[in-house]
Amino acid sequence: GDSVTQMEGPVTLSEEAFLTINCTYTATGYPSLFWYVQYPGEGLQLLLKATKADDKGSNKGFEATYRKETTSFHLEKGSVQVSDSAVYFCALSDRGAGGFKTIFGAGTRLFVKA
Amino acid sequence: DAGVIQSPRHEVTEMGQEVTLRCKPISGHDYLFWYRQTMMRGLELLIYFNNNVPIDDSGMPEDRFSAKMPNASFSTLKIQPSEPRDSAVYFCASSLDLGKSPLHFGNGTRLTVT
Repeated sequence: GDSVTQMEGPVTLSEEAFLTINCTYTATGYPSLFWYVQYPGEGLQLLLKATKADDKGSNKGFEATYRKETTSFHLEKGSVQVSDSAVYFCALSDRGAGGFKTIFGAGTRLFVKA
Repeated sequence: DAGVIQSPRHEVTEMGQEVTLRCKPISGHDYLFWYRQTMMRGLELLIYFNNNVPIDDSGMPEDRFSAKMPNASFSTLKIQPSEPRDSAVYFCASSLDLGKSPLHFGNGTRLTVT
């Protein structure tokens, strides 16, 4: 079945460091891919998305490219800020024989130190 | 747009009591989802509705859980009787469609069953 695997955390970085959070997926169809971010005490909110191969999603300095050949959707940011400290979830949405499903990764907690 | 609104934010109850969680989705969104989040199991889809009709309830843990959507602007998730293992954060989310549109999450209800 479909699945999402993302790197385990926590990830601890200093301010202005480069961020990569790896995400790979398995899917039977042609999924849409998403990154969500969750701040303490809040629900998940969409960070960026890509709906087809080679699409690049971007928002607030974060980017991720839909790579069908490597089944990956890695999240990157060139210079992180303390305010980026949160939990990041990779997710896919796919419509298969069993119906619709959105599958979330386990989440990666990011700490950014000043 | 007020976003998805959930109530209460926190609920503490004793084992055996009935618990009702409430959700108001974003106006115009045809899909409503209930998720449960725990450290051990991550995000789990419990049930989702399309145009107020339950479509997939395969994630509902057992008969103690029930969900209703009497109209397009209101849904409830009920647990009766509650057990300590039901302690979790319960999220409601809504979306315009399945697949390409992102989920919009509420801020969740933190349930503690003692």
